[in-house]
Amino acid sequence: GNSVTQMEGPVTLSEEAFLTINCTYTATGYPSLFWYVQYPGEGLQLLLKATKADDKGSNKGFEATYRKETTSFHLEKGSVQVSDSAVYFCALGGAAETGQAGTALIFGKGTTLSVSS
Amino acid sequence: ETGVTQSPTHLIKTRGQQVTLRCSSQSGHNTVSWYQQALGQGPQFIFQYYREEENGRGNFPPRFSGLQFPNYSSELNVNALELDDSALYLCASSLGGVRTEAFFGQGTRLTVV
Repeated sequence: GNSVTQMEGPVTLSEEAFLTINCTYTATGYPSLFWYVQYPGEGLQLLLKATKADDKGSNKGFEATYRKETTSFHLEKGSVQVSDSAVYFCALGGAAETGQAGTALIFGKGTTLSVSS
Repeated sequence: ETGVTQSPTHLIKTRGQQVTLRCSSQSGHNTVSWYQQALGQGPQFIFQYYREEENGRGNFPPRFSGLQFPNYSSELNVNALELDDSALYLCASSLGGVRTEAFFGQGTRLTVV
C-alpha cells in the first residue's frame, strides 16, 4: 500500500546549521508531495508542496524536490533558526487506495527538530 | 490564519461514552477531512466529506461517523469510546481536487479515561 517513511528524530542542531530531513514514499500513480510543520500545541501548517516529478517546493528558506526516480522528497534548509524547532511531517496525496478519498493525505511519523542558540 | 476552527480544544471523556467534535471549514471550501493523531505519531486519515456526502474512509471502525452540513461545517462522532481513542483530532478543509492543499485546524485533544 501507499506509505511515507521519514528519518527518525529527534534532530538536534545548532543555529545556522544545515538541515536535511529524509523522506521516501511508496505510491501508485502520480501523487502530490507535501511537507507540513507542527508547532507545540498547534495543528498542522503547510510548509511546501510539489505536484509533479522534478518540481521544487520552497517556502521560508526550506526546499524539497520531488524525485520520482528515487521516490524521495527530502526537506532541506541552509541555515536553521531557533524558531524552526517543531515537528515536520512528510505527506503524500492524490494516491488514494480503494475506498479512500482521492485527496486523503498519508503522513509519515514525523521528525522532531530542535535548534539551539 | 487558516480559517479552519475546531471545538472544543480539549475534552475529557469516560470509556464507553460518546463524543461529538466540530469543525468549521475555511470559507469557500467544500471538502472536509478528519484525521486522528496519536501521541508521537503522524495523522491518520479517518474519513472525508464532499458536499455533504462521505467521500472515502480510512481504516477506522463504524463507531467513528461524521456529518457535513450545507454550510460545509462538519462533525465527527465517536461512540463507545475506548482508551486508545485518546488523541488529537484534526480537521482539514480544502477545495477538493487531487492537487489542492488542505488547511488544518488547531485540533481537539480528546482524553479518554
